[in-house]
Amino acid sequence: KAGVTQTPRYLIKTRGQQVTLSCSPISGHRSVSWYQQTPGQGLQFLFEYFSETQRNKGNFPGRFSGRQFSNSRSEMNVSTLELGDSALYLCASSLPELPGTDTQYFGPGTRLTVL
Amino acid sequence: ILNVEQSPQSLHVQEGDSTNFTCSFPSSNFYALHWYRWETAKSPEALFVMTLNGDEKKKGRISATLNTKEGYSYLYIKGSQPEDSATYLCAFNAGTASKLTFGTGTRLQVTL
Repeated sequence: KAGVTQTPRYLIKTRGQQVTLSCSPISGHRSVSWYQQTPGQGLQFLFEYFSETQRNKGNFPGRFSGRQFSNSRSEMNVSTLELGDSALYLCASSLPELPGTDTQYFGPGTRLTVL
Repeated sequence: ILNVEQSPQSLHVQEGDSTNFTCSFPSSNFYALHWYRWETAKSPEALFVMTLNGDEKKKGRISATLNTKEGYSYLYIKGSQPEDSATYLCAFNAGTASKLTFGTGTRLQVTL
């Protein structure tokens, strides 16, 4: 079974631009969560989508948004990029049969650099 | 704000040593505790999902225990090997769907 895939793997943008990252979950998984990792910080939860609906949201500004399609693929968008948005963005998918206890499978991440 | 703490921040051991790390989490609103291993340039890999007080899980040379009443979990590695070198992350779930709150990890380096 193919794992979680994320595209692109690397991205360089300038301040003020916007960016869209894509995540394809494991086949059959319906939940996709997004996390941000910046230097010195643990993985920070951005949001979770399940059946095309945002089910949970972390403490990030409205510039961070996402969506999920009927095939469970998910995108996240960051508008008006700031230098502090430079980070590794990971997505994770799960079934989930029991939200919270289901194993989440992570993709390789997208490394975003904002200049 | 949930606070998940891991210690030590980093650890350097010799091949064959046994080692352990700690994850501390809020003892209230506990739902699940996840452990992950994250090797450089790879995706985080799930090790265990722990849900019950007193839970013990084992996968090869790696095992974990859980104490939900006092809010901690230990991860043990027996007979460390160089391939165990990675960052070990714990993540707390308070029952809010699939949201995980991660600690900052323990970076383990195993040398020959």
